[in-house]
Amino acid sequence: AQSVAQPEDQVNVAEGNPLTVKCTYSVSGNPYLFWYVQYPNRGLQFLLKYITGDNLVKGSYGFEAEFNKSQTSFHLKKPSALVSDSALYFCAVRDGGGSYIPTFGRGTSLIVHP
Amino acid sequence: EPEVTQTPSHQVTQMGQEVILRCVPISNHLYFYWYRQILGQKVEFLVSFYNNEISEKSEIFDDQFSVERPDGSNFTLKIRSTKLEDSAMYFCASKVIADNEQFFGPGTRLTVL
Repeated sequence: AQSVAQPEDQVNVAEGNPLTVKCTYSVSGNPYLFWYVQYPNRGLQFLLKYITGDNLVKGSYGFEAEFNKSQTSFHLKKPSALVSDSALYFCAVRDGGGSYIPTFGRGTSLIVHP
Repeated sequence: EPEVTQTPSHQVTQMGQEVILRCVPISNHLYFYWYRQILGQKVEFLVSFYNNEISEKSEIFDDQFSVERPDGSNFTLKIRSTKLEDSAMYFCASKVIADNEQFFGPGTRLTVL
């Protein structure tokens, strides 16, 4: 079985400050991890993924995420938040040795204040 | 940049009616998906489709649901007899190969009255 947890429903950060959106996962095999962003009335947009290789993954719009196997985490980060980053962020995981269907987290609403 | 498109953007229907939600995946993609997102809740997998057949489906995808790729470009989700609890945003997604990330459409908001 695979699962993902996003422990925060909402994250508030001031523009220019660093942001972190947390994600932890559970899979029986090797994790394939993804972050998506959803803007109002839009579909999910792919940000970045980790399958193998460097633990620090860089993605779109200046976002990055760090894979931590011991903590089973894949937190999304950005050094300097923009107001336009305000959106809903979804972490997803799938078992690399199992189904090709990812399981999505409940989503975290990121609000960046001017 | 190619993108997944979905029509209509919003569908209102009466309980018990049939609805068809339409999607045009990215043209060179081979794997197709439907997800739903009930307001305020997480994105839930419904069904995946590859090589003209369903490859996986969730327990949500019961006999009231069906999918079809009628003409090599469209990918449709049919709900035969809608229920109030089918009200949700329905997302279509596609990807080119199995290991890649999925590309999502903008969604169809289905409201069942």
